[in-house]
Amino acid sequence: DAGVIQSPRHEVTEMGQEVTLRCKPISGHDYLFWYRQTMMRGLELLIYFNNNVPIDDSGMPEDRFSAKMPNASFSTLKIQPSEPRDSAVYFCASSLRVQGDTGELFFGEGSRLTVL
Amino acid sequence: GQNIDQPTEMTATEGAIVQINCTYQTSGFNGLFWYQQHAGEAPTFLSYNVLDGLEEKGRFSSFLSRSKGYSYLLLKELQMKDSASYLCAVKEGGSQGNLIFGKGTKLSVKP
Repeated sequence: DAGVIQSPRHEVTEMGQEVTLRCKPISGHDYLFWYRQTMMRGLELLIYFNNNVPIDDSGMPEDRFSAKMPNASFSTLKIQPSEPRDSAVYFCASSLRVQGDTGELFFGEGSRLTVL
Repeated sequence: GQNIDQPTEMTATEGAIVQINCTYQTSGFNGLFWYQQHAGEAPTFLSYNVLDGLEEKGRFSSFLSRSKGYSYLLLKELQMKDSASYLCAVKEGGSQGNLIFGKGTKLSVKP
C-alpha cells in the first residue's frame, strides 16, 4: 500500500510568493493532519480534518495560511504571501480512528520549504 | 496549558541500554505515543501506552504512569542505526483528540 504522499519534497521561493503544498492521505483514512517542524518549536499541529471537514485550525499561524480538503484523497496547505519565518518542514499525516484503535499517525516524507 | 518535556540530546554506547524520559501536562489524556525520526525523514510509530505499566516490543519498551504524567522509552542492545530523534506525543482527550508532540530527544549512539 502506498503511504502518505506529499509534494513538492523541496521548495525554495522568495518572500511574498504563494506556496502550495499537497498531500494524498492513505486510502481509507478518515483523519488528515498538517504539521510544521522547526528546530526551535518541534512538531506543531497546524490543522486537522475529519472526513474532509476541518475540525481544529487553531494552530494555523495567521491568515496567510489556509488549508483545504476538497475530497478524501487530496489536501492542500497554502501560504500567501510567504515570509522567511515560514521556512520549515511541513508534514502531512493521516490516520484511521475506530473505537479501540490507537489512532496511530502515518506521516508523509514532508515538504521542506525555504523562503528567501 | 499543554507542556511536554523531554531531554534535548543524549549520547550512549553501542550495545548499551538507554532510557529517554518524557513528562507531560496536558488538558486531556487519551494515550501516549513514541515516534522515531531519523534525520531528514518522517516520524515513524514506535509504541503506544494508554494504561499504566510497561509495553515491550523487541528491543524497545515504553512505560507510562498517568498519575505522575510520566513516560519513558527504553532502548536495549543499542545499535548505530538507533541514532535518531525520539518524539514523545500525547493524545488529547475526546474521540477526536489529536497528538501534541514534544520537541524530541536526539540520541547519538557511539561505537
